[in-house]
Amino acid sequence: AQKITQTQPGMFVQEKEAVTLDCTYDTSDPSYGLFWYKQPSSGEMIFLIYQGSYDQQNATEGRYSLNFQKARKSANLVISASQLGDSAMYFCAMRGYSGGGADGLTFGKGTHLIIQP
Amino acid sequence: IAGITQAPTSQILAAGRRMTLRCTQDMRHNAMYWYRQDLGLGLRLIHYSNTAGTTGKGEVPDGYSVSRANTDDFPLTLASAVPSQTSVYFCASRGLAGSNEQFFGPGTRLTVL
Repeated sequence: AQKITQTQPGMFVQEKEAVTLDCTYDTSDPSYGLFWYKQPSSGEMIFLIYQGSYDQQNATEGRYSLNFQKARKSANLVISASQLGDSAMYFCAMRGYSGGGADGLTFGKGTHLIIQP
Repeated sequence: IAGITQAPTSQILAAGRRMTLRCTQDMRHNAMYWYRQDLGLGLRLIHYSNTAGTTGKGEVPDGYSVSRANTDDFPLTLASAVPSQTSVYFCASRGLAGSNEQFFGPGTRLTVL
């Protein structure tokens, strides 16, 4: 079984500051992938970034980076220079690659990020 | 570019009624998924299909059924709706092997009274 834990139900951050959203995970799969999605108030799910468990370097996508610490089983999302448009729910998710069966994503409960001007 | 479309956008349904949520993708993705999103619980996998003609159960399959007659369509059916099935339902798809990103539809907001 896989489990994702996001311990920050909500966060308030000043505009232009960097933000770190916490995510820890648990899995028995030797190979897995970690994802972050953004859900604005309009409701759609927007893919932000992906990290494979065997990737040597931390993933980066524009202002988003994933701080992957495999030994600690953490996959924190870092948003640099936050903007008002970053206000949204953020979900950490994982997918195991054990082969066969369900390969859908397991999601955390989310962090509600509010960027203040 | 449509990506994934879902219908209806929202629906209010009486308990006991049958309801089918529609999902269509035009990306020729093999894998498709249905999730439900409930406040404070994140998204949970209901059913999935790795390719046309095959389906499987996710984390919360009870009360739901799916079919995958072709690559593009993946309908979700509630045979006899109950109030606990009030939720937002997301359909998603993933491309060929080696592709990691799951693309999500806009969601269907379902209320069962």
